[in-house]
Amino acid sequence: DAGITQSPRHKVTETGTPVTLRCHQTENHRYMYWYRQDPGHGLRLIHYSYGVKDTDKGEVSDGYSVSRSKTEDFLLTLESATSSQTSVYFCAITQGRSTDTQYFGPGTRLTVL
Amino acid sequence: DQQVKQNSPSLSVQEGRISILNCDYTNSMFDYFLWYKKYPAEGPTFLISISSIKDKNEDGRFTVFLNKSAKHLSLHIVPSQPGDSAVYFCAASARFQEGAQKLVFGQGTRLTINP
Repeated sequence: DAGITQSPRHKVTETGTPVTLRCHQTENHRYMYWYRQDPGHGLRLIHYSYGVKDTDKGEVSDGYSVSRSKTEDFLLTLESATSSQTSVYFCAITQGRSTDTQYFGPGTRLTVL
Repeated sequence: DQQVKQNSPSLSVQEGRISILNCDYTNSMFDYFLWYKKYPAEGPTFLISISSIKDKNEDGRFTVFLNKSAKHLSLHIVPSQPGDSAVYFCAASARFQEGAQKLVFGQGTRLTINP
């Protein structure tokens, strides 16, 4: 257990509405990541953070933004949700060692109607 | 461009026998490889890893083999148990400039262990 929680765990929303997902960690990890998981694609990196207020884009960042105002929280925002953003979203953390292992949260299932 | 591939979407194995899951990668910059196991409605959980300077790593019933010349890794589970039924993801690791870990995942293989 890496002390990662995600909220909400499930959400149904409508196209065009803004949505914010929260990742919370309790162990002061420096690096945090957001992924989405879709059938046939495995997990794909959306954005990551390497410190408070330090973030960068991953492989599938279009339509998403992130913020990290304190070490323990990493927020993922869909400014205007689309049906293509229906997915399961996972948050992960690492410590920054050369042989790091990423530990994942329980996930958020998001449905955009 | 799929840098990490798991070509078998599913695999069915009898309980007690060996399960072999395969993964291929294309980028020589990857220096660390991991296997994750995922149950429905849960996050992926770390299973075993291997550094690019090794060719084998064992942890109990799980062994990962790395063939760098072929850019291929495999996960062996011996003996297979019903609780091993899950989706398995391989992942290859590189580094972003800021030190964050870049993980590239395969598509996953659903392993079913039959009693």
